[in-house]
Amino acid sequence: QQPVQSPQAVILREGEDAVINCSSSKALYSVHWYRQKHGEAPVFLMILLKGGEQKGHEKISASFNEKKQQSSLYLTASQLSYSGTYFCGRETSGSRLTFGEGTQLTVNP
Amino acid sequence: DTAVSQTPKYLVTQMGNDKSIKCEQNLGHDTMYWYKQDSKKFLKIMFSYNNKELIINETVPNRFSPKSPDKAHLNLHINSLELGDSAVYFCASSQDRLAGDNEQFFGPGTRLTVL
Repeated sequence: QQPVQSPQAVILREGEDAVINCSSSKALYSVHWYRQKHGEAPVFLMILLKGGEQKGHEKISASFNEKKQQSSLYLTASQLSYSGTYFCGRETSGSRLTFGEGTQLTVNP
Repeated sequence: DTAVSQTPKYLVTQMGNDKSIKCEQNLGHDTMYWYKQDSKKFLKIMFSYNNKELIINETVPNRFSPKSPDKAHLNLHINSLELGDSAVYFCASSQDRLAGDNEQFFGPGTRLTVL
């Protein structure tokens, strides 16, 4: 069963912040975050393996709440280059990743 | 050097034809994947191979057949193409089979259009 992402789409002005949420009805063992720009391949951002874990990549960070079975991606002081579709993925049985439907982020000047 | 490469980048063909997509990775990874991304951008796993062994085989029509001649290559053959097969197909690789702890590197994708 795929994780649920919210919001489905968000539009920002450069410099604004955004939060993308990823939740699962089933246990989350790990959460992956990827970004896909239009016409390109998905690119890895980060993996969170443990409940309570937080990670950062420049001004993009994420948290993982194992008890609530959710993860959030935080984008601060957004840049034009942050535009794209963000996917969270949860590990399911058989070592496969099941991705959410994606959140389309648009950053305008 | 390209880490994960796919050929062709674009594929336009008629219904009923058979076609293949090739994928190669030069990262020395043990595990490779095929994903299908439909028009709504939903990214879905199709197959995975670990050291030439099929380890993930999702519910896809048996018209789709993967083949891994060695751990650096994973090809996808599609028989009797249908309109619904139109999508972007991504190849990916990771260090090993444990999805939880391994980032996946994606190829540039092959856009398949079935007319």
